[in-house]
Amino acid sequence: GDSVTQMEGPVTLSEEAFLTINCTYTATGYPSLFWYVQYPGEGLQLLLKATKADDKGSNKGFEATYRKETTSFHLEKGSVQVSDSAVYFCALKTGGYQKVTFGTGTKLQVIP
Amino acid sequence: SQTIHQWPATLVQPVGSPLSLECTVEGTSNPNLYWYRQAAGRGLQLLFYSVGIGQISSEVPQNLSASRPQDRQFILSSKKLLLSDSGFYLCAWSVGTGGAYEQYFGPGTRLTVT
Repeated sequence: GDSVTQMEGPVTLSEEAFLTINCTYTATGYPSLFWYVQYPGEGLQLLLKATKADDKGSNKGFEATYRKETTSFHLEKGSVQVSDSAVYFCALKTGGYQKVTFGTGTKLQVIP
Repeated sequence: SQTIHQWPATLVQPVGSPLSLECTVEGTSNPNLYWYRQAAGRGLQLLFYSVGIGQISSEVPQNLSASRPQDRQFILSSKKLLLSDSGFYLCAWSVGTGGAYEQYFGPGTRLTVT
């Protein structure tokens, strides 16, 4: 079945550091890929998405590129801020199905 | 614009008591609706999803049930809560069935079973 694997957290970075959160997937067919962010005590918010190979999703300085050859969708940001502290979830959805498969989440803590 | 509401925001219930969590969506018609549970420090577990009124698919056999009495209303219930039912419950909606249709999440309900 479909699955998403994320790097273990927590990830602790200093403000203005470069961020990478790794995400790899296994899926039948051609999935769409998503990154969601969850701030403390809140629901998940869509951060960015990519629907086909080589697409780059971007939002709020975050980027991720759909790499079909490596089945990866790594999240990056050039300079993190304290306000980026949250849990980040990688997810996939295969067309025609209702379910989204989520990774276990990676907690990011940014210190001043 | 579309909005999704969940209530209550927090709930503390004793073991063996009943449960009813409600989710409503505004600003869209015939959404797909989902219930997820997030245990402390863990990822999301899909519990139920619904593609229409009265249509419920269960992903995990357990003592929870779901109902969809109206197009934009989704209810999660239990007759007798267990300690293991504690967690953060999230409702979500989407439209369409294609792969590009992302899900939108509500603010969640924090349930503590004591």
